[in-house]
Amino acid sequence: AQSVTQPDIHITVSEGASLELRCNYSYGATPYLFWYVQSPGQGLQLLLKYFSGDTLVQGIKGFEAEFKRSQSSFNLRKPSVHWSDAAEYFCATGGGIKLTFGTGTQLKVEL
Amino acid sequence: DTAVSQTPKYLVTQMGNDKSIKCEQNLGHDTMYWYKQDSKKFLKIMFSYNNKELIINETVPNRFSPKSPDKAHLNLHINSLELGDSAVYFCASSQRTGRPDTQYFGPGTRLTVL
Repeated sequence: AQSVTQPDIHITVSEGASLELRCNYSYGATPYLFWYVQSPGQGLQLLLKYFSGDTLVQGIKGFEAEFKRSQSSFNLRKPSVHWSDAAEYFCATGGGIKLTFGTGTQLKVEL
Repeated sequence: DTAVSQTPKYLVTQMGNDKSIKCEQNLGHDTMYWYKQDSKKFLKIMFSYNNKELIINETVPNRFSPKSPDKAHLNLHINSLELGDSAVYFCASSQRTGRPDTQYFGPGTRLTVL
């Protein structure tokens, strides 16, 4: 069965520092991969997605992610974090129309 | 002009009661979903409807009954509420294209069962 693992439950970074959130997937064929962000008390918003093609995907709010088949990873990056990026980040995968989410990584930003 | 809306935003009720949560999307999508997010933020799909037809029904107690009167609405009715039903319930929608597409989420309904 398809699944994703987010190894980091909490991450704290200083404002202006770079960020990388890890996501590993388990799926036999080419996976469909997503990153969503959930701000406190809010619903989920799509940051970016990967279906095929260019393995470096650009998203909203200055985020990007790189699909690496050899490492079964789809890590999310941002070169310079803003205080407003503090939120819960979810990696997700789906081979049909059903999405399976990781357990999330909570990002805290120190000013 | 909210894309996916849910009502109510908060729901506090006693054990044993019956309650409903409503969801509407104005995106013209064919597929709608209900997810449950537990206290540890874990998100799990419960149901999915495509054009009013149930297509995903995960292992959910039959006290939970989704209803889709038309493809823009997907309601969730819960009978005999239990303490363990306390969670945030999210509605979502997507344009079904035969492969996973972007799912647009509502703001969530926080259900507290006392």
